[in-house]
Parts: sequence; structure tokens; C-alpha cells
Amino acid sequence: GAVVSQHPSRVICKSGTSVKIECRSLDFQATTMFWYRQFPKQSLMLMATSNEGSKATYEQGVEKDKFLINHASLTLSTLTVTSAHPEDSSFYICSARRGGTQPQHFGDGTRLSIL
Amino acid sequence: SQELEQSPQSLIVQEGKNLTINCTSSKTLYGLYWYKQKYGEGLIFLMMLQKGGEEKSHEKITAKLDEKKQQSSLHITASQPSHAGIYLCGAPIHGSSNTGKLIFGQGTTLQVKP
Repeated sequence: GAVVSQHPSRVICKSGTSVKIECRSLDFQATTMFWYRQFPKQSLMLMATSNEGSKATYEQGVEKDKFLINHASLTLSTLTVTSAHPEDSSFYICSARRGGTQPQHFGDGTRLSIL
Repeated sequence: SQELEQSPQSLIVQEGKNLTINCTSSKTLYGLYWYKQKYGEGLIFLMMLQKGGEEKSHEKITAKLDEKKQQSSLHITASQPSHAGIYLCGAPIHGSSNTGKLIFGQGTTLQVKP
């Protein structure tokens, strides 16, 4: 159990385009989902914490108007990169957890390339 | 702020050899998670440790959390090419255990030569 699906796996688009990434927990209800960004050969950088039915909590330095997060249900969270620019190119990963001390389970990531 | 330091940063071993990866925290750990990542992919959960002195094993991988709860080790016995990847330790951020937020070490890249 504990499968997290992330879609799409890769996106290539022009500067100025908005891109939506979906994160779904397939076989469990996730009280909390997390969005990370990972730069080449670096560790994960937490962007925001998403709880179902409430506003996402963004980490310091992350623009909430740039990275829109919607957590519509206990199994779905979306990250929309608005008006993406080349500097937004990166590997984005989501995770979901049931709650308590349960581990986070991760999606396979989305590689975003903005031309 | 809390930091997780992993050592070594990278490791190349011959197939069949044992190896150990360490994760040291600047503050007391309220849980420690080990994950494995292949480049360009998501993280696979390996093990979770919570109590000081706790040890868990799965197949050829053993993880331990020291009694003082500031260091964890991941030991692989008789390594195989399938063990290759990036190993990351993650821990609840000090004072934020209820949020579920984790900080991660910088990762240890393991290569196993056939």
C-alpha cells in the first residue's frame, strides 16, 4: 500500500505558460501533502504543506502567487506554476502521508522545463 | 536551525561488499526516516525509526538509531547493483513534529560495481 501518483512526469513548455501538476494518493487518504523542489545533485527543498480543505502553508521565500496549491480532497493535491519562466525549470516532487508519525510517501516527480 | 549531515557524500563499492551510511543531526531526533532515490525519480520509503536504540531490518538493509537519538546509520550487507542510488535521511523538523514537515540530509550516492 501507500502509492502516490504524480502526473505529468515531464513537461516542456514555453515561457509564460501555466503548468498544473497533480498528486494523488491512490490507496490511502492523505491528511497532508507536501510539495518539494529538487535542484540537480541537491537534496529536497520543501516548498509548501497542503492540508485538505484549508490554505496551503508556504515556506519562507516561496511565492504563493507563483506556486498555487489546491488540496481539493483527501486524495488529490495540485500545484500550478503560474506564468512559468526558465528559472522555474526544476524537478518537482510531491508526497502524502496519512497522519501522526506515518512516513511520507512520494510521487515519481515531474521534470519541468521552460523554454 | 536543525541540520542533517550525511556521510559519506558518495560511495563506490564492489558488489558483495558491506557498507554503512551515517546521518547525524544537530538536534535530538523525534523520528528518522530513510529513503532511496534513483536519479530523476521519486523517493522510496525504506524504514522509520523512532526510539533510541531502535534497529530495523529489511532484506539486506539495517537501520539503527543511537541511544541519544542524534545519529542514525544505514547498513547494507552484501551489496548488489540493485542497491545503487541516492540514500536520504529525513527527520521531523524540531518543534514541528505535528505538521509532518521533514528536513532531509544532502544524500549519499551509492554506486555498486558488478
